[in-house]
Amino acid sequence: DIQMTQSPSSLSASVGDRVTITCRASQGISSWLAWYQQKPEKAPKSLIYAASTLQSGVPSRFSGSGSGTDFTLTISSLQPEDFATYYCQQYNSYPITFGQGTRLEIK
Amino acid sequence: EVQLVESGGDLVQPGGSLRLSCVVSGFTFSRYWMSWVRQAPGKGLEWVANIKQDGGEKYYVDSVKGRFTISRDNAKNSLYLQMNSLRAEDTAVYYCAKLIVGSNYADYWGQGTLVTVSS
Repeated sequence: DIQMTQSPSSLSASVGDRVTITCRASQGISSWLAWYQQKPEKAPKSLIYAASTLQSGVPSRFSGSGSGTDFTLTISSLQPEDFATYYCQQYNSYPITFGQGTRLEIK
Repeated sequence: EVQLVESGGDLVQPGGSLRLSCVVSGFTFSRYWMSWVRQAPGKGLEWVANIKQDGGEKYYVDSVKGRFTISRDNAKNSLYLQMNSLRAEDTAVYYCAKLIVGSNYADYWGQGTLVTVSS
């Protein structure tokens, strides 16, 4: 199975900050990587797929990069609604696996 | 507007069975792979199963193989998850999700249904 490791596990930041979350795969997954946002008691929301393609309707302050084993999610200027937990997911091969999540909190 | 609505979650005893349903609207259900993903209380997301458009291919996480069965009824725009031999560790919110064409990326999710396995 491909293990997905996110860092950091939690992060405190302020509105307006630039934030980067990292996701590392235990083996190469090309660009078969997605990012999801989840707020408490809510369903996940799809943000980015194919490592860098923005889901329709997602603000352009979100961006993704990387290929192979190392990936990043960047939020260029944090907004109040961005405080949530973020998950990466590899869908290169079965079983599909998620990272453990990164909790983004208000400083 | 794409909508996915899960139902069927309940409190069930260990060893029991439950069938989850997901009714979809706003897209042509028969054209897309579908997925179930779960989230145990306070934990992260875990993929459970995928099913092809015609039901001819199915994939499962090892921990549910032989106990869970994913299925679909394209005439009813419905996705199902039959869960047998339930264990305490199956306690979770179960989400259905629509996958995009050509990959296992989920672009739309339901609101989830809670399954609690406890005596």
